[in-house]
Amino acid sequence: EPEVTQTPSHQVTQMGQEVILRCVPISNHLYFYWYRQILGQKVEFLVSFYNNEISEKSEIFDDQFSVERPDGSNFTLKIRSTKLEDSAMYFCASSEGASGALADTQYFGPGTRLTVL
Amino acid sequence: AQSVAQPEDQVNVAEGNPLTVKCTYSVSGNPYLFWYVQYPNRGLQFLLKYITGDNLVKGSYGFEAEFNKSQTSFHLKKPSALVSDSALYFCAVRDPLNAGNNRKLIWGLGTSLAVNP
Repeated sequence: EPEVTQTPSHQVTQMGQEVILRCVPISNHLYFYWYRQILGQKVEFLVSFYNNEISEKSEIFDDQFSVERPDGSNFTLKIRSTKLEDSAMYFCASSEGASGALADTQYFGPGTRLTVL
Repeated sequence: AQSVAQPEDQVNVAEGNPLTVKCTYSVSGNPYLFWYVQYPNRGLQFLLKYITGDNLVKGSYGFEAEFNKSQTSFHLKKPSALVSDSALYFCAVRDPLNAGNNRKLIWGLGTSLAVNP
């Protein structure tokens, strides 16, 4: 069964450093997402991406964040200058995005735990 | 504002007994509702969803959920719990009035299910 994969599983970085979190969505999916979960808190939507552009972003997704689909398989989240409060589990997801399928299912990767020191 | 509530942080049930994990929601229109499960060190796995039609939906691993519009609830159920069902369960909602290419999910805090042998 196809899966969303994410690398690395755990990333430790110093405050102010740039990090890139990588995801490989399911191959025939058209929509891609990033969510994050700070320890003990709710899963929060960050951004969705379709047709090579951001389709929606939350207020969390400020200028420090960016997403990219550099090739036909990878989907990345970059944090330019990490802050302590960016420490969280970051989940990538993808969905088929078929026309009219407004309730298509999002399939999630195992997550990357980001620790900012 | 759109929101999801999972009123119980933890649910304990004996193996073989029925289980219920509760979820209530608040959205402006008719919601799309989802349940996901997270096993330790694993990603969020899709269990089931309600879009329209029959209020009782069946999903993976013998789970089912009942949509109740008057009570704005979408409780997850299983007739006979297994020890292997022990995990963290998340309810999520998408507001279909959040239309077009915007498909973000709004999440509950999660409920930890412990099934005792």
